[in-house]
Amino acid sequence: ETGVTQTPRHLVMGMTNKKSLKCEQHLGHNAMYWYKQSAKKPLELMFVYSLEERVENNSVPSRFSPECPNSSHLFLHLHTLQPEDSALYLCASSQYAVGQGAYEQYFGPGTRLTVT
Amino acid sequence: DQQVKQNSPSLSVQEGRISILNCDYTNSMFDYFLWYKKYPAEGPTFLISISSIKDKNEDGRFTVFLNKSAKHLSLHIVPSQPGDSAVYFCAASVPGTYKYIFGTGTRLKVLA
Repeated sequence: ETGVTQTPRHLVMGMTNKKSLKCEQHLGHNAMYWYKQSAKKPLELMFVYSLEERVENNSVPSRFSPECPNSSHLFLHLHTLQPEDSALYLCASSQYAVGQGAYEQYFGPGTRLTVT
Repeated sequence: DQQVKQNSPSLSVQEGRISILNCDYTNSMFDYFLWYKKYPAEGPTFLISISSIKDKNEDGRFTVFLNKSAKHLSLHIVPSQPGDSAVYFCAASVPGTYKYIFGTGTRLKVLA
């Protein structure tokens, strides 16, 4: 596997379900991101992890819970979601240098989530 | 308040001609700008970038121009090919952070 992979690619879940999205990067990067893309809206940054430590949390509801067990893996745990949470969820990774910021991000193919 | 704007949701260009995609931003502190391309059912793919200390960067058929005084950047694709048909996003880096601010995208269609 190369680049950034995400599973599953498609997910349909009810509002009472619990599910998890998985992301894996094979690029040796030290930062990983979760983005949400809704129709006709810009990509919204949800969470950022750098060296397994959460460094950004953009006012995301607690029904989304991220987990980063190591620098290659990132999860997004979902529970009691709402229909408006239906969107494309994208994972990305990048290299980050202290004092210089993040370099270009490499994205996975996304998980298309539908909440019924 | 959208700090990065792509005001044209779509653009159609004839094969072989130039495609020009535009992006405007409001924050003069942004220090690095990127363009991504996205095909359906795939994640965005990094295309080309430019530092705020430069005004032009070229990579093959793709050139990005930065006009800091106008807070405007553009992506030129010459010559345009049908395989370039995709959604193009510009993004701006917030200095010293992990954050990129993305525009809403422009859908480019290159007509054969």
